[in-house]
Amino acid sequence: NAGVTQTPKFRVLKTGQSMTLLCAQDMNHEYMYWYRQDPGMGLRLIHYSVGEGTTAKGEVPDGYNVSRLKKQNFLLGLESAAPSQTSVYFCASSYSRLGEQFFGPGTRLTVL
Amino acid sequence: AQSVTQPDIHITVSEGASLELRCNYSYGATPYLFWYVQSPGQGLQLLLKYFSGDTLVQGIKGFEAEFKRSQSSFNLRKPSVHWSDAAEYFCAVIANNNAGNMLTFGGGTRLMVKP
Repeated sequence: NAGVTQTPKFRVLKTGQSMTLLCAQDMNHEYMYWYRQDPGMGLRLIHYSVGEGTTAKGEVPDGYNVSRLKKQNFLLGLESAAPSQTSVYFCASSYSRLGEQFFGPGTRLTVL
Repeated sequence: AQSVTQPDIHITVSEGASLELRCNYSYGATPYLFWYVQSPGQGLQLLLKYFSGDTLVQGIKGFEAEFKRSQSSFNLRKPSVHWSDAAEYFCAVIANNNAGNMLTFGGGTRLMVKP
C-alpha cells in the first residue's frame, strides 16, 4: 500500500501560470481533502470531496479548483497562480467523516 | 465558528523529561478532538483522538491526552520524551454537528528535544 501520494513534490511557478496537483490514494477512501500549510497557521482546508464526482468548498477556496473524476484521485488546480499561493499543499483521505485522515507527503509550491 | 488555539509556538525539553502541549478549543458543544504529529518534511500522522467516553485517551508512541470540558482543553502529554519526538504537533477539532467535514487545526507547537 502506497497510502496517499502527491505529485509533484516541488514546483516553482511564475505569477499567472497554471498548474495541477495530483493526489492519489489506494485505500478506497470516500473522503478526500486538500489543505494548505502556512507558518503559524496550521493547516487550512481548501476543498474536499465526499465521493467520486462530488466536491465542496472549504475554508480558503478562492483561487483554486478541484475535480474528483475517479474515486482514487483528487486534483487541485491553480488557474492563475499568485504569490499568495506560495505554500505547502497537503492531500488527505479518510474512510468516513470522523475517521482518521491519512496525509500525503506534501507539495511545496513557490509562486514568483 | 469553531477554533483551536495552541498557545505555545515553540517548546524545548530535555530528553527524558516530561512533556505537556496545550490545546484549547472554542465550540459550544463537545467536539471531536485530535492530535496529529508532523515530522520534518513529512505529512501528518494521527497520534490520538477523543470522541466520547473516558476523558483520558491513549495514543501511539506513548502519548496521552486528557479532555477537560470545564477548561475547553485537550492537552497532550508524554511522561518521558525521546529525541525522536522532535516534531511539530497539531491539535484539531471537528464540530460534531458540522455537516461540512471541516477539520480545524491549531497553529501548531514545534517541539525541540535537548540531549
